[in-house]
Amino acid sequence: NFMLTQPHSVSESPGKTVVISCTRSSGAIASNYVQWYQQRPGSAPTTVIYEDNQRPSGVPDRFSASIDSFSNSASLTISGLKTEDEADYYCQSYDSTNAYVIFGGGTKLTVL
Amino acid sequence: QVQLVESGGGVVQPGRSLRLSCAASGFSFSTYGMHWVRQVPGKGLEGVALILHDGSNKYYAESVKGRFTISRDNSKNTLYLQINNLRAEDTAVYYCAKEEGSVSIFGVVRHWGQGTLVTVSS
Repeated sequence: NFMLTQPHSVSESPGKTVVISCTRSSGAIASNYVQWYQQRPGSAPTTVIYEDNQRPSGVPDRFSASIDSFSNSASLTISGLKTEDEADYYCQSYDSTNAYVIFGGGTKLTVL
Repeated sequence: QVQLVESGGGVVQPGRSLRLSCAASGFSFSTYGMHWVRQVPGKGLEGVALILHDGSNKYYAESVKGRFTISRDNSKNTLYLQINNLRAEDTAVYYCAKEEGSVSIFGVVRHWGQGTLVTVSS
């Protein structure tokens, strides 16, 4: 199994832009889709990005994502930060060899 | 609208068994694979098990192999997770989630249930 590594925490001011990275330890990042989930305290996760860069309906276009084969990583970008964006964010991909869903450790975003 | 509603959690003694359920609606349940994901309080997300659309193949995390059984009843639009020989480390919120791949598994989740809390304690 590969691992997905995220920064433990990031912080930024309202109105600014933040980028959260997710680095895959082995195997190509592009070989399986990457998803991003937002989880506010006491709530279930919700999907903000699926299939690398697709936004579900209802997710504002302030959320975007990409993958970078050179660094073997995925990134979630949140622009125009709002206090309501404060949450934990998890990246996730799939080990198709072992049929195993793999999550990053999560990044706590603080908007202050 | 996709809805996933988990039930069956509670406080259980170590060594006992529990069956979690996930009632699905708003989509063709029999067409999609399904996942169980858990989260220990204060910790991250962990994929526990997944099942193909027709129940023909099931996969488990190493940490739960031999004690957890995922199953589904497509006639009832319901997903199950049987947990045997419960341990303290199984204390977690258990979420069911819908796989986006139809028939095949791509490990893509767009829809989550609200979760059900399992507490293992004597």
